[in-house]
Amino acid sequence: GEDVEQSLFLSVREGDSSVINCTYTDSSSTYLYWYKQEPGAGLQLLTYIFSNMDMKQDQRLTVLLNKKDKHLSLRIADTQTGDSAIYFCAESDTDKLIFGTGTRLQVFP
Amino acid sequence: EAQVTQNPRYLITVTGKKLTVTCSQNMNHEYMSWYRQDPGLGLRQIYYSMNVEVTDKGDVPEGYKVSRKEKRNFPLILESPSPNQTSLYFCASSLMAGANTGELFFGEGSRLTVL
Repeated sequence: GEDVEQSLFLSVREGDSSVINCTYTDSSSTYLYWYKQEPGAGLQLLTYIFSNMDMKQDQRLTVLLNKKDKHLSLRIADTQTGDSAIYFCAESDTDKLIFGTGTRLQVFP
Repeated sequence: EAQVTQNPRYLITVTGKKLTVTCSQNMNHEYMSWYRQDPGLGLRQIYYSMNVEVTDKGDVPEGYKVSRKEKRNFPLILESPSPNQTSLYFCASSLMAGANTGELFFGEGSRLTVL
């Protein structure tokens, strides 16, 4: 079945770049997503990429997609303490999203 | 304000005592879904609904029921809760299902503890 994998933790210094990685299994996914979950809150859509794109940039966020290796990454430039959260990647199936385990990003001063 | 509202936000109950977690959205969304979030397991889908009166099992439906009598409401029912249903539950909705289901709007979560 479909599976989405992420590392569980990432710790970065404020001002540095963060790179959160994700691998997925379903090559037919039309869209791939990044969601952000702040403490005590639900998930919010951060950005998404269409499967025929290699890269998408949105202000401090850069999404890279390597379809051959089924690898998705989210780069956050100039990481701030407000970026501390859990980040989920997700791939689309016909009727649902399949989420990864989430990567907890901790930003320290 | 566009939102997905879940109640209760926190609940402690005992094994076997039936409970319902309500979910309501005010965005006229067709698609609604319930997830549970557990440490190290991410989000797993329990049930989903493509439209009124249409519900389907997700990946972990055992022990849960849902109904979709109206477009805005999608309650999650635990007929006989057990400790392994202790979890953080999220309701989510999107405009429509299909290839771009992914723009899901999430509620704030309901933390359930079953003793």
